[in-house]
Amino acid sequence: AQSVTQLGSHVSVSEGALVLLRCNYSSSVPPYLFWYVQYPNQGLQLLLKYTSAATLVKGINGFEAEFKKSETSFHLTKPSAHMSDAAEYFCAVRRLSGGSYIPTFGRGTSLIVHP
Amino acid sequence: GAGVSQSPRYKVTKRGQDVTLRCDPISSHATLYWYQQALGQGPEFLTYFNYEAQPDKSGLPSDRFSAERPEGSISTLTIQRTEQRDSAMYRCASSLSGASADTQYFGPGTRLTVL
Repeated sequence: AQSVTQLGSHVSVSEGALVLLRCNYSSSVPPYLFWYVQYPNQGLQLLLKYTSAATLVKGINGFEAEFKKSETSFHLTKPSAHMSDAAEYFCAVRRLSGGSYIPTFGRGTSLIVHP
Repeated sequence: GAGVSQSPRYKVTKRGQDVTLRCDPISSHATLYWYQQALGQGPEFLTYFNYEAQPDKSGLPSDRFSAERPEGSISTLTIQRTEQRDSAMYRCASSLSGASADTQYFGPGTRLTVL
């Protein structure tokens, strides 16, 4: 079975500081991994995805994530936090169902950015 | 359409009533997904469609939940005899197909409150 675990339900950083959101995965097959962001009162939006090509994946809004097989991790980072980055972030791994791929989501990490 | 739309955005109902939620996917998208998201949790898979076919409904919590997509475009999710534990955000997403690297596009969700 495929699953993800997000460590920390809340992460608080100062504006300009490094953002690090942690995600560890469990998968019996080579995983496809995703990070989504959810702003208040909006739907989830894809930030980036890993599909077994480059291990360092760059996404929108300056975010990137590195796939580390040895650590079964796919942590999300951003060098310098902006106030506008405050949102809920979800890590997900795909699983196969009925011939299609369904993402299984983690519980989410709320990013709080202080001025 | 330009994006995934859902209606209503908010629904308040009394326990025991039936409710129907609607999802209008991006017009070129073959695959449509339904998720349930409780407060403070990630989206939980309910069911999905490839056009009008419904290959997997294993995530539906009980036989009170049903979904359909009769013409392969708009979909409805119906909850019969609602219970308070059904209160949640219900999210719809669509993708071009169910291929592993396809991006899912999410709607804004329907917030269901059962009193």
